[in-house]
Parts: sequence; structure tokens; C-alpha cells
Amino acid sequence: QSVLTQPPSVSAAPGQKVTISCSGGSSNIGNNYISWYQQLPGTAPTLLIYEDNKRPSGIPDRFSGSKSGTSATLGITGLQTGDEADYYCVTWDSSLTAVIFGGGTKLTVL
Amino acid sequence: QVQLQESGPGLVKSSETLSLTCTVSGGSITYNYWSWIRQPPGRGLEWIGHIYDSESTNYNPSLKSRVTISRDTSKNQFSLRLRSVTAADTAVYYCARDPGDGGLDHWGQGTLVTVSA
Repeated sequence: QSVLTQPPSVSAAPGQKVTISCSGGSSNIGNNYISWYQQLPGTAPTLLIYEDNKRPSGIPDRFSGSKSGTSATLGITGLQTGDEADYYCVTWDSSLTAVIFGGGTKLTVL
Repeated sequence: QVQLQESGPGLVKSSETLSLTCTVSGGSITYNYWSWIRQPPGRGLEWIGHIYDSESTNYNPSLKSRVTISRDTSKNQFSLRLRSVTAADTAVYYCARDPGDGGLDHWGQGTLVTVSA
């Protein structure tokens, strides 16, 4: 059971938009930056969003991040079949003094 | 371009110590945070711990009693030791860099470690 709660799965059609939520608390999301990762099958995770809403170079603007209070959201627009992957939220927990991962969300592009 | 590469035995016997090394190229490990993360087969990612600054460390509380992360700046490597392993420690182990903004921006390809009875 992760400290950060993500929906196990989401799905949407190609071209549509999807959001993935990540819920935590004041010791983690509420007072620390969140980052998001995409993990394609059989590969290492890739950083999509850091510092809540910033994209590393090379990450398309179809991917966006937002945060409000103790929850964060990853948005993906213009869905493509290549976006089918697992997505993870990550942040620092000040009480645990540890990096914590959400349980992951499997995105299916129907 | 920073690159990370994990190395170490792919098979460890139960109750023994798992030892892995991450070799970093394209950047010095003297700076930034250097993490170990693992992923059991078919499951999610789990942070193990990191090393930063003058060999300061933080560990996952659930693993803290069994884990040591260290570094060798002369070889630009950092290492993981996980003691008293069980089958539950079977996983793909990744090393990764955090430049300090909370984003793990460079990852190794991962190495599968299987714990045998």
C-alpha cells in the first residue's frame, strides 16, 4: 500500500485526453515537488514532469502536470497508441525522509 | 550525456547479500543525488535509497535495516548492498540520478536479480 494513491488503470481513445491523479498528504505532495514517469513495457522509466509542472527537453507538450494541495495530476492530450504504458508519480516525504512512489497507473489507449 | 550502467550478479542465494554497482559516465557523482530503485516482476517501482553530498544517505524505512549505499568517487561508481535477501527481493534493480529538483532524470537500463532458495 503506497503513501501516494493512483488509480490502477485508465483508458481513453486515440486523440482524446486523459488525466491520472496522485493523492497524498501534507508531508509529501503538499510540501514537496512531484515528478511523473512513463514506463513502457520492458524498459526503464522516463522522466515526464519534474517540479510539479516542468517538462524535460524532448518531452512533448502533450504531457502536462499540475498540483493542488495534496493532490497532483498528469494530463496527456492527443493520445497515441505509443502512450500505452505505466505512469508513476514520485515525491519526497518529509516525515519519512524518503522518496516515495505511487502505485502506478496503467494507461490503455483503446 | 550522463549514462548509468548497473552491474553485478544476476543470482543471489537466500539469506546472502545482494551487491550491485552503478557506473556513471558523462558526469561526476560528486554532485547530485544517486538513487537505487527496484521493481519486482509485474509490480510497481520501489525506491531503495540514495547517496549525496559527502556520502550522506537516506533509505526507504522498510529496507533501512538491511541496506547500505556507498560510493567510490575515484571510479565514479556508487553501490548497493542488501543483506539477508529473500525471494521477495527478486526484482529488476535500477540506478538513477536526481539533480536535486526531485526528478530522476537519468536511469540505467536495469538489471534483474533473482534470489534463489
